[in-house]
Amino acid sequence: RKEVEQDPGPFNVPEGATVAFNCTYSNSASQSFFWYRQDCRKEPKLLMSVYSSGNEDGRFTAQLNRASQYISLLIRDSKLSDSATYLCVVSYNNNDMRFGAGTRLTVKP
Amino acid sequence: EAQVTQNPRYLITVTGKKLTVTCSQNMNHEYMSWYRQDPGLGLRQIYYSMNVEVTDKGDVPEGYKVSRKEKRNFPLILESPSPNQTSLYFCASRVFGTDTQYFGPGTRLTVL
Repeated sequence: RKEVEQDPGPFNVPEGATVAFNCTYSNSASQSFFWYRQDCRKEPKLLMSVYSSGNEDGRFTAQLNRASQYISLLIRDSKLSDSATYLCVVSYNNNDMRFGAGTRLTVKP
Repeated sequence: EAQVTQNPRYLITVTGKKLTVTCSQNMNHEYMSWYRQDPGLGLRQIYYSMNVEVTDKGDVPEGYKVSRKEKRNFPLILESPSPNQTSLYFCASRVFGTDTQYFGPGTRLTVL
């Protein structure tokens, strides 16, 4: 079983749609959680950190459920520019960050 | 501009021919690491370094070497590349003790 699992997609949604991604992790000692965005053939870039209380950044909302060991990302009012692969990242010490394989999103006109 | 640079960006080589991929960061970060990214597997850490002259293995270190003689540079060395090392490689850096990583643009390596 992978340490960080994501639905690979692809998710194909129309502009304006709301889309949600989930990610599960296996290490209960995990301490920090993130969503990274990766455009095709480019490097990953931090989208947002995920906090226990949940956090929002514009159209993006991230939530963490420690009891069930899953993280979610909600994108509202999808834009064409949101098309990318979204990577779930889990860290349980200063050295060790574990990446999910990513969920691919395509937003269509 | 704060950045992580990698060279070369693309490389096609043959089995057994030693190669080095360079990585440099201008943010004075202590922590640097190398990842490989393969379809369906996500990014997997090859080696990391917590500071100058301090390096350690990640999850998939076999067939790779690194060195950290200066804080800004962290080259990845493949002494005898094999086809299973064909992959997309990313270098990353961060301030030690923080979680936000800054990635280089990637090096696409093909070993024939």
